[in-house]
Amino acid sequence: LAKTTQPISMDSYEGQEVNITCSHNNIATNDYITWYQQFPSQGPRFIIQGYKTKVTNEVASLFIPADRKSSTLSLPRVSLSDTAVYYCLVGDHSGNTPLVFGKGTRLSVIA
Amino acid sequence: DGGITQSPKYLFRKEGQNVTLSCEQNLNHDAMYWYRQDPGQGLRLIYYSQIVNDFQKGDIAEGYSVSREKKESFPLTVTSAQKNPTAFYLCASSREGRTSGNRNYEQYFGPGTRLTVT
Repeated sequence: LAKTTQPISMDSYEGQEVNITCSHNNIATNDYITWYQQFPSQGPRFIIQGYKTKVTNEVASLFIPADRKSSTLSLPRVSLSDTAVYYCLVGDHSGNTPLVFGKGTRLSVIA
Repeated sequence: DGGITQSPKYLFRKEGQNVTLSCEQNLNHDAMYWYRQDPGQGLRLIYYSQIVNDFQKGDIAEGYSVSREKKESFPLTVTSAQKNPTAFYLCASSREGRTSGNRNYEQYFGPGTRLTVT
């Protein structure tokens, strides 16, 4: 399984754009990149998934360079309610090797 | 409402007792998973099941047991052999464990059960 590395924590003020970068140097050809969000005492929630280039949905954007060795989750104009832990996962979802959740990035949004 | 439920939300047990955590889903998902989360840590996989009557050990299966007799249900038993059972337990399901073209199947998580053993 491709190992991921992401910052332990980040702080941001309300209204700012937040970019969280994840490194996955050993990503395989069949691997997708998926990001989850977790609030305290709740289960993680799927945010976005991509394979290459850029993916955007109503919540976030995911930027993946051509070599796919890293990815950046971009949260536009964060609010206090975006304070959470964000996990970057890499895997082929084949079911043979379930995805691994690391420690994630703890984002704190400050008023 | 479709979803995945876990009960109870909080559970207290005495050391040496087995306890079973419930996980039910009505999403018609084939795959189900159990994770454990300790304070300030990420999720660690205990067991997973890709299909009824089949399951595999995850990274920390020792001291736990599961069954998958029905598609909708994947109960987890925390046995007395588990040395540090106090934790937040999360159940998840996904449509299936296979890719299909450019699609990948996300995991849907339940609300979790916080188990305290004293």
